[in-house]
Amino acid sequence: AQKVTQAQTEISVVEKEDVTLDCVYETRDTTYYLFWYKQPPSGELVFLIRRNSFDEQNEISGRYSWNFQKSTSSFNFTITASQVVDSAVYFCALPSGYALNFGKGTSLLVTP
Amino acid sequence: DTAVSQTPKYLVTQMGNDKSIKCEQNLGHDTMYWYKQDSKKFLKIMFSYNNKELIINETVPNRFSPKSPDKAHLNLHINSLELGDSAVYFCASSQDSAGTDTQYFGPGTRLTVL
Repeated sequence: AQKVTQAQTEISVVEKEDVTLDCVYETRDTTYYLFWYKQPPSGELVFLIRRNSFDEQNEISGRYSWNFQKSTSSFNFTITASQVVDSAVYFCALPSGYALNFGKGTSLLVTP
Repeated sequence: DTAVSQTPKYLVTQMGNDKSIKCEQNLGHDTMYWYKQDSKKFLKIMFSYNNKELIINETVPNRFSPKSPDKAHLNLHINSLELGDSAVYFCASSQDSAGTDTQYFGPGTRLTVL
């Protein structure tokens, strides 16, 4: 079965700290994609990254980076030098059939 | 321009009523979706629809029905609303129908059933 586990329900950090959000997945597919989305307090779902299983290189986008490791079935997300605006719920997702199967989300609170 | 838009943003109604939520995308995508987010923030697929095929999550009550007048629109009709239908409903779209392409989401519609 296609499954995503985000074991961290809530994380609280102080501004400028680095924080890593964990995502562990289960899939029967040999090739697949993984996604991260951000849901800020305003409620919309913002796409962050789509990654395919062929490419295990780490991805960096500004203060955001993603570590994909097939050997441990993990796709972790790190925010460097966190800011208050990073406060949001972050979802990891894996395609399951015709749609996305989301993890339960990790709520990140960054305080000044 | 908003890529995926939904109306209304908030919907408050009484039990037993029938209501609709509208969704439009201007991305030229072939596939549209409806997701439900419950009070614990859990996101679950309800429907996927493209020109050829409607795929329904079997757990969705038949009081919910998607209607697509054209490729850019996918509306959600809900009959005989129940308290448990209170949630945030998100529309999304993507280029393909296999679930592997990036899905872009609308702003959500918060439905409250009293």
